Amino acid sequence: EVQVVESGGGLVQPGGSLRLSCEASGLTFNTYSMNWVRQAPGKGLEWLSYISSTSRTIYYADSVKGRFTISRDNAKNSLYLQMNSLRAEDTAVYYCAPISCSSTTCNHYFDNWGQGTLVTVSA
Amino acid sequence: EIVMTQSPATLSVSPGERATLSCRASQSISSNLAWYQQKPGQAPRLLLYGASTRATGIPARFSGSGSGTEFTLTISSLQSEDFALYYCQQYNNWPRTFGQGTKVEIK
Repeated sequence: EVQVVESGGGLVQPGGSLRLSCEASGLTFNTYSMNWVRQAPGKGLEWLSYISSTSRTIYYADSVKGRFTISRDNAKNSLYLQMNSLRAEDTAVYYCAPISCSSTTCNHYFDNWGQGTLVTVSA
Repeated sequence: EIVMTQSPATLSVSPGERATLSCRASQSISSNLAWYQQKPGQAPRLLLYGASTRATGIPARFSGSGSGTEFTLTISSLQSEDFALYYCQQYNNWPRTFGQGTKVEIK
């Protein structure tokens, strides 16, 4: 069974930084591309960032490009999101989500979600 | 960026009735569409992918159709546990984008 556990959220002042972590188990982590998705309070889901299994390919949503950095450590089965220059509108629950893979193919929808970690940006 | 537009924003349905949710893409996404269900305080749960394939463990009362730009999620006979938020997501283009959601509430 695949499990993902996000951590590192908390209260941070505007302009501050925070580093989120995600530990995944039950999958061969170094073969899975990973994503970060967030959800502001009472709002919908927003895809933020993608990193391929080898870290060679990375994408960001425009809303976080230049401020957030995705990375991974395959030796630790871990995914990270370094968040700088935080704004009030970054307040959200942040989820990490592996892409979905069968024995033969992978697709970029998300069938395993953690419970997320809450980031609150406020003075 | 592909904009995903869901309608209606809120759907009021009686238990046992049929619910039909729509999702429209601003450009063609082939069948690269997923549907998710989310209940308060919980993470989203994958319902359908490939526009019409049910994910593991999803009851047969959930079905999906469509391709290109127009998609539909149908819940054939609403059960109490189906009252929730539903999101569509395209995975044809970067950035991946979600619809704004449809809330299915008890009538």
